[in-house]
Amino acid sequence: AQKITQTQPGMFVQEKEAVTLDCTYDTSDQSYGLFWYKQPSSGEMIFLIYQGSYDEQNATEGRYSLNFQKARKSANLVISASQLGDSAMYFCAMREVFDSSYKLIFGSGTRLLVRP
Amino acid sequence: NAGVMQNPRHLVRRRGQEARLRCSPMKGHSHVYWYRQLPEEGLKFMVYLQKENIIDESGMPKERFSAEFPKEGPSILRIQQVVRGDSAAYFCASSDGDEQYFGPGTRLTVT
Repeated sequence: AQKITQTQPGMFVQEKEAVTLDCTYDTSDQSYGLFWYKQPSSGEMIFLIYQGSYDEQNATEGRYSLNFQKARKSANLVISASQLGDSAMYFCAMREVFDSSYKLIFGSGTRLLVRP
Repeated sequence: NAGVMQNPRHLVRRRGQEARLRCSPMKGHSHVYWYRQLPEEGLKFMVYLQKENIIDESGMPKERFSAEFPKEGPSILRIQQVVRGDSAAYFCASSDGDEQYFGPGTRLTVT
């Protein structure tokens, strides 16, 4: 069974500094996708970044980058130049492909608090 | 270009009542996923539907829960005889086959 582990329940970061949110995954599939979502206090799920298992380069989207280490099965999210608006829950997810179903398996999340 | 719409945003039901949650996918999307988020937890997959077909219901509780995605109209997640443990946020996501776009969620409170 596939599994996503986020070991940091909560993190603090000073405004304008970078922060890394950890995510490890477990799968026996060769083809899979990894996602990060942000959930602010308002509750919606905001897609941040995607990494495919065959992508050779680490994904980047603005201030977000994904540090993908396939051999270690880790997909850490790096947020550069943190802003107060980055304070939120962050979820790592893996897409499980089985018999035409592309469901997402989520980790338990990391709550990030950006200090002014 | 409207995003994924869910209604109602908040729903309060007494124990034993029925809850109906609606999800309208993005224009052109024919895949709908439903997820449940219990307080202080991550999202858990419930069911995946295409128009008029349930593709994967491996995450659905065996009793009281059902889902449909008719040819016309929104996808419906139906919970019969709700219990306090059903209190959660229910998210739907629509897809054109690759990335999933989430709706704002429906927060169900069972009193």
